[in-house]
Amino acid sequence: AQSVTQPDIHITVSEGASLELRCNYSYGATPYLFWYVQSPGQGLQLLLKYFSGDTLVQGIKGFEAEFKRSQSSFNLRKPSVHWSDAAEYFCAVGAANAGGTSYGKLTFGQGTILTVHP
Amino acid sequence: DARVTQTPRDKVTEMGQEVTMRCQPILGHNTVFWYRQTMMQGLELLAYFRNRAPLDDSGMPKDRFSAEMPDATLATLKIQPSEPRDSAVYFCASGLFGFTGELFFGEGSRLTVL
Repeated sequence: AQSVTQPDIHITVSEGASLELRCNYSYGATPYLFWYVQSPGQGLQLLLKYFSGDTLVQGIKGFEAEFKRSQSSFNLRKPSVHWSDAAEYFCAVGAANAGGTSYGKLTFGQGTILTVHP
Repeated sequence: DARVTQTPRDKVTEMGQEVTMRCQPILGHNTVFWYRQTMMQGLELLAYFRNRAPLDDSGMPKDRFSAEMPDATLATLKIQPSEPRDSAVYFCASGLFGFTGELFFGEGSRLTVL
């Protein structure tokens, strides 16, 4: 069964500082990986996704993530955090069949709450 | 701008009452999911449908929860009878199977059972 671990429940950074949110996954084959962001009272919005190819993927709002198969990780990064980035971030892994077609079913990590200090 | 629409946004009800939540997926999406979010459990998958057929509802308490898709534009999640432990935010998400795998989420239905 697939699973996702986000080791950090809560991270606090200063505005302008760099950010890295950790995500480790467990999946038997090549996973589909996603990062979502949730602002208070809102649904989840997709930041970026990885299916195959280049292991460094770019997303919206200046975020990027790197897929490292050897470490089973998909960490999210941003070089300079803005106050508006304060939110909860979820890493998710998706299942695919042998042909690489996605089932669409996602398993989410527990989330990391990001607080940004001015 | 295509989006997933959920109603109601907020619902407060008494224990034992029936609750129905509705979801309109993005037009053309063939896969619909129901997730429940709580502080303790995070995001839990309750059920999902493909082309309106239920594929997996193993995450749902079968005795009180039911999920259906009467047509391609409507998914429902019903709780009968509701209990305080059902208090949570319920999210509907839709996606296109076999294409990108990403899900598009609605804004959620916040349920409070007193």
